[in-house]
Amino acid sequence: AQSVTQPDIHITVSEGASLELRCNYSYGATPYLFWYVQSPGQGLQLLLKYFSGDTLVQGIKGFEAEFKRSQSSFNLRKPSVHWSDAAEYFCAVALLDGGSQGNLIFGKGTKLSVKP
Amino acid sequence: GAGVSQSPSNKVTEKGKDVELRCDPISGHTALYWYRQSLGQGLEFLIYFQGNSAPDKSGLPSDRFSAERTGGSVSTLTIQRTQQEDSAVYLCASSLKGGNQPQHFGDGTRLSIL
Repeated sequence: AQSVTQPDIHITVSEGASLELRCNYSYGATPYLFWYVQSPGQGLQLLLKYFSGDTLVQGIKGFEAEFKRSQSSFNLRKPSVHWSDAAEYFCAVALLDGGSQGNLIFGKGTKLSVKP
Repeated sequence: GAGVSQSPSNKVTEKGKDVELRCDPISGHTALYWYRQSLGQGLEFLIYFQGNSAPDKSGLPSDRFSAERTGGSVSTLTIQRTQQEDSAVYLCASSLKGGNQPQHFGDGTRLSIL
């Protein structure tokens, strides 16, 4: 069955430090992968997406992610974290088979805290 | 331009009552999705619309849940005879034409069942 795993429930980093949030997926076909961010009381904002081509994708707010098919991973990175990056981050894969037309399967999320 | 708009932002109701949640997608977006976000289950897909049709209702948890979309625009999610386990944040998203198109989310409706 299709699934997305985010192994880290909560991560704390110092402001200015680098960040990597892990995501592993299980999907039989070509995956269409997304990272979303959610601030408290808000909806989800798209950070970046991977469909095909270059395996390193750039997103908004200085984030990037690397698709590694051999590891079934799509990890999110940022070289220098800002206090405003504190939020919850969700990795997702779009289902595109059968009657599904883009329904997203989400990981459980990783909550990021930033220390001053 | 305007994003996805959901109303109400918060709803508190008594167990057994019916509730209606509204979603107004981005203009021109033909695909509309409903998701539920709860502490125990995370983010779960409920239903997908393409235009006014719902080809995928596989995520609706019970027959107490229904949804419709009219005019290819506004959608309403209805929960009948609410139960405490229905308490969650209900999120709506729209995309240009479905498939692998990025989805744009509203801020959600926080539903609390007393």
